[in-house]
Amino acid sequence: KQEVTQIPAALSVPEGENLVLNCSFTDSAIYNLQWFRQDPGKGLTSLLLIQSSQREQTSGRLNASLDKSSGRSTLYIAASQPGDSATYLCAVDQGGSEKLVFGKGTKLTVNP
Amino acid sequence: DAEITQSPRHKITETGRQVTLACHQTWNHNNMFWYRQDLGHGLRLIHYSYGVQDTNKGEVSDGYSVSRSNTEDLPLTLESAASSQTSVYFCASSRTSGGANEQFFGPGTRLTVL
Repeated sequence: KQEVTQIPAALSVPEGENLVLNCSFTDSAIYNLQWFRQDPGKGLTSLLLIQSSQREQTSGRLNASLDKSSGRSTLYIAASQPGDSATYLCAVDQGGSEKLVFGKGTKLTVNP
Repeated sequence: DAEITQSPRHKITETGRQVTLACHQTWNHNNMFWYRQDLGHGLRLIHYSYGVQDTNKGEVSDGYSVSRSNTEDLPLTLESAASSQTSVYFCASSRTSGGANEQFFGPGTRLTVL
């Protein structure tokens, strides 16, 4: 059974810092990995999707990498801002079924 | 703009009652999903559908049912609500199968079962 882990559960940084969020998964046979952002009381917003054949994806200040063989993905946020404060979730799609298995998230706080 | 909506946004009900949560998407997506989000468990898949008349059980399907009569809607029914079903419920959709599609989520429904 696929398990997805995100460490740390919470992270607090000063504004302007570059930071890395980690996601690990136990079964490397994934089709894709998706990073989401969730603001308090809101739904999930898709940030980046990395297909299994890709090593990384970039969108603005965000860069996500994928190392299938080691079962790891990282989300790099450059020059963090208070508006980046949210919970970040990673999820994997195993077998192309579109059924996502989620980690429990990392709650990020960026302090002004 | 295309979107995915859920109603109601908040619901309080009593144990044993039947409850239906609505999900409507205007993306014209084939795939639709229901998840629940609980502290300590994260998001877990309840039911999903790959198209009209297709429904499948997810990880935590006991006590829930869905039906798909058209592309836009996937209502989630709690047959006899239990306190363990107090949770936040999210509906999501994606274009088609193949492993390269983002899932888009609705705003969620907070359900309290007393």
